[in-house]
Amino acid sequence: EIVLTQSPGTLSLSPGERATLSCRASQSVSSSYLAWYQQKPGQAPRLLIYGASSRATGIPDRFSGSGSGTDFTLTISRLEPEDFAVYYCQQYGSSLPPYTFGQGTKLEIK
Amino acid sequence: EVQLVESGGGLVQPGGSLRLSCAASGFTFSSYEMNWVRQAPGKGLEWVSYISSSGSTIYYADSVKGRFTISRDNAKNSLYLQMNSLRAEDTAVYYCAGGYSYVRFDYWGQGTLVTVSS
Repeated sequence: EIVLTQSPGTLSLSPGERATLSCRASQSVSSSYLAWYQQKPGQAPRLLIYGASSRATGIPDRFSGSGSGTDFTLTISRLEPEDFAVYYCQQYGSSLPPYTFGQGTKLEIK
Repeated sequence: EVQLVESGGGLVQPGGSLRLSCAASGFTFSSYEMNWVRQAPGKGLEWVSYISSSGSTIYYADSVKGRFTISRDNAKNSLYLQMNSLRAEDTAVYYCAGGYSYVRFDYWGQGTLVTVSS
């Protein structure tokens, strides 16, 4: 099973600042199979990034993804008030279980 | 507009059963790979089960294997999760989620809460 470890657990920043969230895999993950989701309190998760770096439909360009192998990053260039939420990375792999999520990073207002 | 609407959650005693449903609309359901993902109170996301667009391929998380059964009815645009031998640790919000590609979850329902308690 591929384990995804996200860091930091909590990130405290102010609107307008840049956020950098990390997702590290226990073994190599194909970039095509790495996604990021945003979840706000009381809401379902929303797909932000797929294929490590492609934005999903309707996602603002302040969100970007990068990385390969075992290290992936979600960057939010200039934080808006609506960006404060929990972010999860997710991978698909050929071994079972096919899907795993990271434990999440909570992005909170400083 | 793509919509996924879960139903069937509720309070059930340990050892009991429950059947969740997910009604899909606004897209060609028969072309989409579908999953159930759950989230225990205050915890992160946990993938539960996958079913291919045709229903021919199914996977389960080890934590539910042998107790849960995923199925779909493409004629009714519906996804199901039969949950048997429920345990306290199955308490969670259950989301149906899916997309055109099997590698990610493009669309999510609003979730249905399952509480297993005596």
